[in-house]
Amino acid sequence: GAGVSQSPSNKVTEKGKDVELRCDPISGHTALYWYRQSLGQGLEFLIYFQGNSAPDKSGLPSDRFSAERTGGSVSTLTIQRTQQEDSAVYLCASSLYQREGRTGELFFGEGSRLTVL
Amino acid sequence: ILNVEQSPQSLHVQEGDSTNFTCSFPSSNFYALHWYRWETAKSPEALFVMTLNGDEKKKGRISATLNTKEGYSYLYIKGSQPEDSATYLCARRPRGNTPLVFGKGTRLSVIA
Repeated sequence: GAGVSQSPSNKVTEKGKDVELRCDPISGHTALYWYRQSLGQGLEFLIYFQGNSAPDKSGLPSDRFSAERTGGSVSTLTIQRTQQEDSAVYLCASSLYQREGRTGELFFGEGSRLTVL
Repeated sequence: ILNVEQSPQSLHVQEGDSTNFTCSFPSSNFYALHWYRWETAKSPEALFVMTLNGDEKKKGRISATLNTKEGYSYLYIKGSQPEDSATYLCARRPRGNTPLVFGKGTRLSVIA
């Protein structure tokens, strides 16, 4: 389809395991964002990519979290040694770069629900 | 106000009622204000993007206003329908190339 695609849609893992979450943005969108929503909380910013570089990774909660983007397209968010507090819905969004004079609205995927037992 | 704040946290209305929610944000360093609708089991979808003080946007029965000087935006829904049931998210962009900062949302339930 033409929308933002995320996988897996659901992931249950044991504490201490590593997980990878994938995001395939809309073709041509140069900006890519990762957010997460924990139970009872709002959307929390994690990291932002412009092309393949990450000008803002200020939201990554610890050094167990990392993300990369290759070819200006697909992005992978990796969580090492998962903890129970990592349980959340991880949302990816893409947009046209603001400097191109666009509105900068975000197009979201349906999210990856991570449960750490 | 340091962050984006939304009120009420949740709201139950009868079908046909009109309703409104509030989004408050810091009035300094303002670039844009976004509203999104997030239905259960779907992805958040953009409703409005507003950038100028006094902006008013409308899409069908839903409209929004923006006051950047006092730091608030209102979202109005006229004649609520069950399909309007969703979480409505407000988000502020402080500068042009910065990520959106979201509020916790207002969860609307429309009872038929």
